[in-house]
Amino acid sequence: DIQMIQSPSSLSASVGDRVTITCQASQGISNYVNWYQQRAGKAPKLLIYGASNLETGVPSRFSGSGSGTHFTFTISSLQPEDIATYYCQQYGALPPITFGQGTRLEIK
Amino acid sequence: QVQLVESGGGVVQPGRSLRLSCTASGFTFSNYGMHWVRQAPDKGLEWVAVISYDGYRKYYADSVKGRFTISRDNSQNTLYLQIDSLRTEDTAVYYCVKDQVAKSSWFIFDHWGQGTLVTVSS
Repeated sequence: DIQMIQSPSSLSASVGDRVTITCQASQGISNYVNWYQQRAGKAPKLLIYGASNLETGVPSRFSGSGSGTHFTFTISSLQPEDIATYYCQQYGALPPITFGQGTRLEIK
Repeated sequence: QVQLVESGGGVVQPGRSLRLSCTASGFTFSNYGMHWVRQAPDKGLEWVAVISYDGYRKYYADSVKGRFTISRDNSQNTLYLQIDSLRTEDTAVYYCVKDQVAKSSWFIFDHWGQGTLVTVSS
């Protein structure tokens, strides 16, 4: 199974900061990575698919990049409503689908 | 708009069975692969199973293979998950999830239900 090592596990940043989360895949998976946001008590929400494609309706401050084994998720200017846990997910070799461990993002 | 509504969760004793349902609306259900994803309390996300849009192909996570059965009724716009031989480690919120791409299984989860909690406890 492909492992997705996500870092950091938690992150504290100020409003307006640029925030970056990374996922490292245990083997090459082209660009088959998605990113999700999960606010407390809610279901996850798709933000980025295919490593860099912004899902419809998602604000442009969210972006993704990467291919092969290294992937990056960025919030260009952190907003208060971005408080959430973020997950990467690979679909390059399936099944099974695997998620990263999650990054809990807090506002300073 | 797309709506996915899960039901069937509850408190169940180890070794017993449970069937979860997910009623879909707002899209052509029979055109999309569907998944179950679960989340244990204060833990991360775990993909459980997928069924193709036509119901012919099914895949499972190793952790549930042989105990869980995914199925669908396209005439009723409903997805199911039959869970047998429940274990305490199956305690989780179970989400019904729609695939993004029609007539395919791309494993891009673009819509999620609100989840149903299954608690396995004696």
